[in-house]
Order: sequence, then C-alpha cells, then structure tokens
Amino acid sequence: DTEVTQTPKHLVMGMTNKKSLKCEQHMGHRAMYWYKQKAKKPPELMFVYSYEKLSINESVPSRFSPECPNSSLLNLHLHALQPEDSALYLCASSQEGYRGTEAFFGQGTRLTVV
Amino acid sequence: GEDVEQSLFLSVREGDSSVINCTYTDSSSTYLYWYKQEPGAGLQLLTYIFSNMDMKQDQRLTVLLNKKDKHLSLRIADTQTGDSAIYFCAGGGKLIFGQGTELSVKP
Repeated sequence: DTEVTQTPKHLVMGMTNKKSLKCEQHMGHRAMYWYKQKAKKPPELMFVYSYEKLSINESVPSRFSPECPNSSLLNLHLHALQPEDSALYLCASSQEGYRGTEAFFGQGTRLTVV
Repeated sequence: GEDVEQSLFLSVREGDSSVINCTYTDSSSTYLYWYKQEPGAGLQLLTYIFSNMDMKQDQRLTVLLNKKDKHLSLRIADTQTGDSAIYFCAGGGKLIFGQGTELSVKP
C-alpha cells in the first residue's frame, strides 16, 4: 500500500466556518507534510511533522492549525479563512525526512472559500 | 535559500522525445524527484534519482543528474498525448519544487 488518502476531495466553506482536512497513510512513514498549491503554481510547504511532532512551520497564518493525533493521521484545522486561501491542499508522507526517502502525495483537497 | 528552477513550457510532437530540465541550489538532498500533475489532479511520483547516481532509466523515462552543475533532466522517449501534464522537479531538505514545466504533446 503506497497510498496517501485525503478527505474530503472537495470542500466549500464560508469565511466564518470551521472545517478540517484529513490525511491518512499506512506505510509506516514517520514524516508527514501539508502543502498548499495554487493553480499552475508549484506546491508550497506549510508544515512538517516528524515522529508526530511539529518540526517545520513555514510562517503559516494561525487560521491554519495542524494536528498529528498519531503516526498515521494528519489533520489541518481551518478557521476564519479568506478567499485567497482557496487552493489545492496536498498531504505527503515519507519514511523519515526528505533527505533520505521518497515522498508520496495524496490527491489533495480542493478548497474554495466563499 | 533553497531554489529550484525549470523552464515553463515545452511543446513536442507525438512520438518525439521530450527533455525537461531543472537546476537546483541545495545539494544536501539524498533524492531528487520528478512529479507529474495532470489538470485537476494531485501529484504523481514519476521517478527519482539517488544523489550518488548519474543516470536512472525506468521504461520510457531517463533521469540524468549532473551534480557538479546541479542540473537534473527528465527525458521521456516516444512521448504520447497522455504525457501532456505539468512536470515538477523537487529536492532539498524541505522538498522545494520547481515552477513546473507544462508539456504539450501535439498529435
């Protein structure tokens, strides 16, 4: 199983809503990542969790709140988002850090903020 | 900081070879990757090369790595219309992506 599963696939939310994106992998990977991707642009790193601890936060606004409840799951909690936050949110995992191993990506959640 | 650069567009005819180029600044990555993204879809890991290799071949795909020049390339042999997509190279400690090369394959 080399899959990273993200739910939901599509999400429309208002600026006052609270929602969560979910990511799951069962490859025994100990590093998990959130990326944001705008149309026709490269993915931009948001957060990295290593062994369930937040190791990198790329100066992401606090309206995005990551959580890693266990080694297989990664959540991204959303609150008071802006329309410019509309994007494809991608989750990835790798065995440890990127320096050593392949990174696998999920299919993403396409988020629209209205 | 880390930087990865690619040319933005490439157009080829079906059956030709395509070569997509990438230059990078961070040489600490153990692996360098090529990802493919079709419209509206997520990222598909196409292939990768270990940093101590010069070349890797995988069916129609050939990856060349010149560590001295920090240059990575992806050659697709016998390019098909189904290969039309955006191709990203990526590497570095934080997996930084290039801008992506949009490959257009004309019949």
